[in-house]
Amino acid sequence: SYVLTQPPSVSVAPGKTARIICGGNNIGSKSVHWYQQKPGQAPVLVIYYDTDRSSGIPERFSGSNSGNMATLTISRVEAGDEADYYCQVWDSSTDHYVFGTGTKVTVL
Amino acid sequence: QVQLVESGGGLVKPGGSLRLSCAASGFTFSDYHMSWIRQAPGKGLEWLSYISISGSTIYYADSVKGRFTISRDNAKNSLYLQMNSLRAEDTAVYYCASHYESTAYSDYWGQGTLVTVAA
Repeated sequence: SYVLTQPPSVSVAPGKTARIICGGNNIGSKSVHWYQQKPGQAPVLVIYYDTDRSSGIPERFSGSNSGNMATLTISRVEAGDEADYYCQVWDSSTDHYVFGTGTKVTVL
Repeated sequence: QVQLVESGGGLVKPGGSLRLSCAASGFTFSDYHMSWIRQAPGKGLEWLSYISISGSTIYYADSVKGRFTISRDNAKNSLYLQMNSLRAEDTAVYYCASHYESTAYSDYWGQGTLVTVAA
């Protein structure tokens, strides 16, 4: 089955840039979506189709996808960005959605 | 505004059954494909099942195939998950989520309902 690997945690100072990696075999050939989940809340769509920002998401959030790695970049990080972030793809070989393992972003 | 509201969660014994519901409002439910996703305590997101707009296409994760059944009633703007032969490892918050485009991103999520499987 298809596997998406994310680092368990990323720490970043306010105002700096956070990069969250999502690794998968030839993930560049798939469409990657990103979700933000704050404690006790449901996930919220942040980025879809690799690079498109969901409605209401600040321009500070951006995405890219190539080769074996997709990246969610948060520029000028704010305290309110502290959350868990998950990548997601549709694996057409198994007709399954696959979520990444999740990355906890901590703002120092 | 768009709302997805799950219900039907609770405490059930191993081997038992439970039926979850997801009530949709604020959008045209019959225009959206739907999924169930769960999250065990302290763990990540796990996709469980997907159903197309008409209900003609259904997919399941291996972990629930043969035990869980997804269905929908477009006239009632509702999505369902029948869960049988429940195990302790099925303990989780269960979310319903919508997809405007087939097998694409989940644009709306409910707040979730907690299912606890314990003796």
